[in-house]
Amino acid sequence: DAGVIQSPRHEVTEMGQEVTLRCKPISGHDYLFWYRQTMMRGLELLIYFNNNVPIDDSGMPEDRFSAKMPNASFSTLKIQPSEPRDSAVYFCASCRGLPSTDTQYFGPGTRLTVL
Amino acid sequence: AQSVTQLDSQVPVFEEAPVELRCNYSSSVSVYLFWYVQYPNQGLQLLLKYLSGSTLVKGINGFEAEFNKSQTSFHLRKPSVHISDTAEYFCAVSDNNAGNMLTFGGGTRLMVKP
Repeated sequence: DAGVIQSPRHEVTEMGQEVTLRCKPISGHDYLFWYRQTMMRGLELLIYFNNNVPIDDSGMPEDRFSAKMPNASFSTLKIQPSEPRDSAVYFCASCRGLPSTDTQYFGPGTRLTVL
Repeated sequence: AQSVTQLDSQVPVFEEAPVELRCNYSSSVSVYLFWYVQYPNQGLQLLLKYLSGSTLVKGINGFEAEFNKSQTSFHLRKPSVHISDTAEYFCAVSDNNAGNMLTFGGGTRLMVKP
């Protein structure tokens, strides 16, 4: 298996622009997570899905952030409009069983820079 | 609510020396504990996890951790580190009441020097 795939790996954009991050989870995994990593705040869970349904989005910082999972093999995280404070590394992860006990597999991340 | 504290943000150590990375957690119920490693410019990957049974857990790359319920700790150890162990290490906790969430600590950067 190719593992969790994220694209793009790097994104540089200007404030106010729309940004879309993409993720393909490992086939057969029922859970998908979006995390954000910054020096100041560490690793934060933004949202997670179970069988394509959003379960908990309490970590989404504000309405500028939205996430979708139209099918079992694809998810997007969108920021509109983007701001410099959104600059971070965004990780997608997936796991097969209950996240409380199962291993989460992380993608390589998307490094977002908002100028 | 559960939380995780990694007491050291950075740990410098010489190659072939032993190392211990500390992790303490707080939770009102039985917990599951994890250590993940993040190599430069990569995502996190699982080192080891404790779900039940023996309190000494062995993981990949020669790492092990011991669950100590009375001290609410899950420290990570390796008897002899290599340059290639230079990475950031994250302790994480979950429990049956956590809504399937993992809570991560702030991370410890292990810097192995020649």
